[in-house]
Amino acid sequence: EIVLTQSPDFQSVTPKEKVTITCRASQSIGSSLHWYQQKPDQSPKLLIKYASQSISGVPSRFSGSGSGTDFTLTINSLEAEDAAAYYCHQSSRLGTFGQGTKVEIK
Amino acid sequence: EVQLVQSGAEVKKPGESLKISCKGSGYSFTSYWIGWVRQMPGKGLEWMGIIYPGDSDTRYSPSFQGQVTISADKSISTAYLQWSSLKASDTAMYYCVVVPATNDAFDIWGQGTMVTVSS
Repeated sequence: EIVLTQSPDFQSVTPKEKVTITCRASQSIGSSLHWYQQKPDQSPKLLIKYASQSISGVPSRFSGSGSGTDFTLTINSLEAEDAAAYYCHQSSRLGTFGQGTKVEIK
Repeated sequence: EVQLVQSGAEVKKPGESLKISCKGSGYSFTSYWIGWVRQMPGKGLEWMGIIYPGDSDTRYSPSFQGQVTISADKSISTAYLQWSSLKASDTAMYYCVVVPATNDAFDIWGQGTMVTVSS
C-alpha cells in the first residue's frame, strides 16, 4: 500500500500569508496526486487534480506542483475562509489519503 | 447534475449487521466507479474500496478487505457498503464518491452517512 505523509500536521497562519503543504509518497505515483479541502461538518471538496490541474470554481490562490514522490499545495494570500483541513490523495494504485493538515487562521 | 444521495444516520449495537446506501443520479450509473471513504470522529480520510456497477468489479484497500462488503444494484442506481458484525471501531462518517476511472480524482461526494456503534 502506498503511504502518503503530509507536513505539517497543523499550521496557524495570518490572513494574506502564503501557505505551503507538502505530501510525500512512499513510492513513485507519477502525477496521480489530488488535493482536497474539508471544512467542519462538510464533505471534502476537490481543489487540485493530477498534481497541478486547476478545478473550475476553485479560487486561483490554490495551486499544486510536483511529480513522482514529492508534491506541494500552495495557498497564496490566505483568506479567512481557507481555514480547513487539507488532504492529499493518490490514485495511482488503488487509493490512499495523507493524514491531513489543519490550517488555522490566527 | 451529477448527484450522490446517501442513506440516513444509523445507531447500532456491536455485533449487529448494517447496509448503508448511496444513490447516484444525473449520469450513467453503470459507466462510472463508486468509491467509499471512511472518516472516524476527529480523524482523517481513509480510502476503503471501489466498485464498477457495470460489471461489479470491486477493489478493496488491504485495510478494509474482509471487514466490509461493497456492492451495487444497477437496476436502482444504488451502491452499498455493508457490515456483517459491527464493532465500536466502525463508528465513523462514511462518504461515497463517483469517478470515471479508478485513477481519477474524487470530484463528486455524497453528503455522508454517520454510523454510530455503541452498546
